[in-house]
Amino acid sequence: AQSVTQPDIHITVSEGASLELRCNYSYGATPYLFWYVQSPGQGLQLLLKYFSGDTLVQGIKGFEAEFKRSQSSFNLRKPSVHWSDAAEYFCAVAPTSNQFYFGTGTSLTVIP
Amino acid sequence: DGGITQSPKYLFRKEGQNVTLSCEQNLNHDAMYWYRQDPGQGLRLIYYSQIVNDFQKGDIAEGYSVSREKKESFPLTVTSAQKNPTAFYLCASSIGFAGTGTEAFFGQGTRLTVV
Repeated sequence: AQSVTQPDIHITVSEGASLELRCNYSYGATPYLFWYVQSPGQGLQLLLKYFSGDTLVQGIKGFEAEFKRSQSSFNLRKPSVHWSDAAEYFCAVAPTSNQFYFGTGTSLTVIP
Repeated sequence: DGGITQSPKYLFRKEGQNVTLSCEQNLNHDAMYWYRQDPGQGLRLIYYSQIVNDFQKGDIAEGYSVSREKKESFPLTVTSAQKNPTAFYLCASSIGFAGTGTEAFFGQGTRLTVV
């Protein structure tokens, strides 16, 4: 079955610490890959996307993600977390179909 | 500014009532989507449309209906057949359909509560 897995439901980090959010997918071919962020009660905002080419993708707000084909992973990273990064993060994929598939999300708490 | 507008932001429904959630986009996007969001379940696709006057069921279409009479509008009706409608509903659009390398843009959501 096709799926997107975010294994960490909730992560807590200290402000200034580094962050890595994991995402794995299971599809036959490499799909298009996305990371979105959602603040409470709001819609989703695109952080970055991977279509092809360089496997390290830069996004907004200092985020980056690395696509690893051998691991079917697309992990999101940030070198130094700010308190304003506290939010819910969703990994999404778009295989060669008509739908976007979303993971269940990772909630990030930032400790001062 | 271009974007997706969902209204209302909060909506209350009595048992047995149908309610309609509005979604309007001025991005000139062809594809539009409705998602339902429940805590811990991520986003689940209700319906999607790639073109005017055409739409397809998503994973959880039962108890919902949609129309796509205009390119910019994709309203969602939550019918009385939907047994557990309390949720956060998100509308999205993309310039082409998913799988063509386009990303989805989202509205701010409507929170529906059954009272």
